[in-house]
Amino acid sequence: DARVTQTPRHKVTEMGQEVTMRCQPILGHNTVFWYRQTMMQGLELLAYFRNRAPLDDSGMPKDRFSAEMPDATLATLKIQPSEPRDSAVYFCASGLVPDGRSGANVLTFGAGSRLTVL
Amino acid sequence: KNEVEQSPQNLTAQEEEFITINCSYSVGISALHWLQQHPGGGIVSLFMLSSGKKKHGRLIATINIQEKHSSLHITASHPRDSAVYICAVSEIGGGSQGNLIFGKGTKLSVKP
Repeated sequence: DARVTQTPRHKVTEMGQEVTMRCQPILGHNTVFWYRQTMMQGLELLAYFRNRAPLDDSGMPKDRFSAEMPDATLATLKIQPSEPRDSAVYFCASGLVPDGRSGANVLTFGAGSRLTVL
Repeated sequence: KNEVEQSPQNLTAQEEEFITINCSYSVGISALHWLQQHPGGGIVSLFMLSSGKKKHGRLIATINIQEKHSSLHITASHPRDSAVYICAVSEIGGGSQGNLIFGKGTKLSVKP
């Protein structure tokens, strides 16, 4: 089965350190999402790419978070500097939305990266 | 922005019970999704539907577009069904094509 691969699965770091999370989407999928899940807020959109171009990163704190997709096989989410309130599970998901159509599509989620910032 | 509400938040059932989880949303959508998240695990898509009903094994999902409401039913529930069930909607058009707006989830625990 095709799957979305996320690394690392777990990360514990100290406040102020840089954290980079990586995602390998399913080959052929043209949309990639980064979501954050916390107990209080549930799942929230951080950033969204279509054909590697960033479309929506309004949910992301711009001063410390950045999301990129250097090529079709890799999406990255970086936090610099990290803070304790960033502790959460970060999910990457990919899907295929036909170009030019309004999109409902089944997303495939990665297993998540659990981040703890001390 | 769409508001997605789920009920109940928590549900405890005995094995073999029939279970219903509800979801309502506030604005028109292109599709509604039911997702399952096991403890410590990833998120799996169960159903995507835009009208009517879908069935997969013991799981049934229905949607009423006019009432902006969907239900997920589990027949003959089993302890392995214990998980968080999340309702999510795909917004129509605009720059959010394909993005999901999530409910807070329903935590289901099925006792033997």
